[in-house]
Amino acid sequence: DTAVSQTPKYLVTQMGNDKSIKCEQNLGHDTMYWYKQDSKKFLKIMFSYNNKELIINETVPNRFSPKSPDKAHLNLHINSLELGDSAVYFCASSPSGLAEVLAKNIQYFGAGTRLSVL
Amino acid sequence: AQSVTQPDIHITVSEGASLELRCNYSYGATPYLFWYVQSPGQGLQLLLKYFSGDTLVQGIKGFEAEFKRSQSSFNLRKPSVHWSDAAEYFCAVGLYNQGGKLIFGQGTELSVKP
Repeated sequence: DTAVSQTPKYLVTQMGNDKSIKCEQNLGHDTMYWYKQDSKKFLKIMFSYNNKELIINETVPNRFSPKSPDKAHLNLHINSLELGDSAVYFCASSPSGLAEVLAKNIQYFGAGTRLSVL
Repeated sequence: AQSVTQPDIHITVSEGASLELRCNYSYGATPYLFWYVQSPGQGLQLLLKYFSGDTLVQGIKGFEAEFKRSQSSFNLRKPSVHWSDAAEYFCAVGLYNQGGKLIFGQGTELSVKP
């Protein structure tokens, strides 16, 4: 039983298209995240949601929009895809706790979605 | 600004040899420190973490790390490396009161030769 699952695993698409990546966790966690890992393997947080509320929104183009229909899901929609969006996108989740010390919680990562924009 | 530096992009060790992966951080407050491992085609898995207390922490798979405040370092060690340890290793700092935000280092790729 996969704890944090992402679909699809691979996504190849043309510039200008709109695509979505889905993430689901069955750990009962309240907090979910999206990370981007570039070609140099550098990992950077994009968004985090706590109980369906957006709490981190890094400097990300507004073509990227997270959607959390419920606590167990955090999907990532990307509009007007560009070449520079090619990367591996990771979803993660963590238990909730005091807001100030959320960063103490272990984050559980999905296996990633490799997005290639042609 | 907060940052994490892993000076070694790639390290190769022989199986059975000892390992040390370096991590230095820059953060004004007491850091929450983590080491994660990423196997090829997989997500990240936590190896160990440090928040406070004993500065030498034990993790899974025989790994340990030592927090040295004076050096702003949190180096990862293993006494005897196994071929299955070949992977990418990431050091990370968790930020207080920033919604669970982690700042990751650039990663160190570990290769193990027979």
